[in-house]
Amino acid sequence: DAGVIQSPRHEVTEMGQEVTLRCKPISGHNSLFWYRQTMMRGLELLIYFNNNVPIDDSGMPEDRFSAKMPNASFSTLKIQPSEPRDSAVYFCASSLGLYNEQFFGPGTRLTVL
Amino acid sequence: GENVEQHPSTLSVQEGDSAVIKCTYSDSASNYFPWYKQELGKRPQLIIDIRSNVGEKKDQRIAVTLNKTAKHFSLHITETQPEDSAVYFCAARMGQNFVFGPGTRLSVLP
Repeated sequence: DAGVIQSPRHEVTEMGQEVTLRCKPISGHNSLFWYRQTMMRGLELLIYFNNNVPIDDSGMPEDRFSAKMPNASFSTLKIQPSEPRDSAVYFCASSLGLYNEQFFGPGTRLTVL
Repeated sequence: GENVEQHPSTLSVQEGDSAVIKCTYSDSASNYFPWYKQELGKRPQLIIDIRSNVGEKKDQRIAVTLNKTAKHFSLHITETQPEDSAVYFCAARMGQNFVFGPGTRLSVLP
């Protein structure tokens, strides 16, 4: 298994632009999590899905952030418009059930200039 | 609000010594407590987890203990090796939420 796949691995964009991060969970996993990691705030859970349904999005910082999971093998996290303070590493993770080991993807390093 | 505290923030030990990292959580209904290791520039990886129906779990040099009454859990690493150097995160599932501690940077000195 290839593990959790994220794209792009690095993204550099200018303030105001739309950014879309992509994630493919491990096949068979039914829970998917989006995290943001910064030096200042550590690792933060933004939103998670169970069986493609968003369960808790209380971690999404603002309305500029949105996430979708149209099917069991794909999810997106979108920031529109992006701001410099959104610069961070964004991790996607998947698990088989909400109470089992989460497998993290390699992350997307986002830089907003 | 829901909160996980983690101590210490940094920890240096000599190779071969033990390391202990402690976490406390706020929600007494929490029932799942994983520990993740993150090496520099890499993704977090689960090293051990414990559920609320057990008090201790061990896997080779790594062990986790849980005290539900006091709402704290600890990671114990014995016979530390240089490759144990990393940032360690505890986490707790609280209701619908999944909260991580701020992390402990462990350095194992040869």
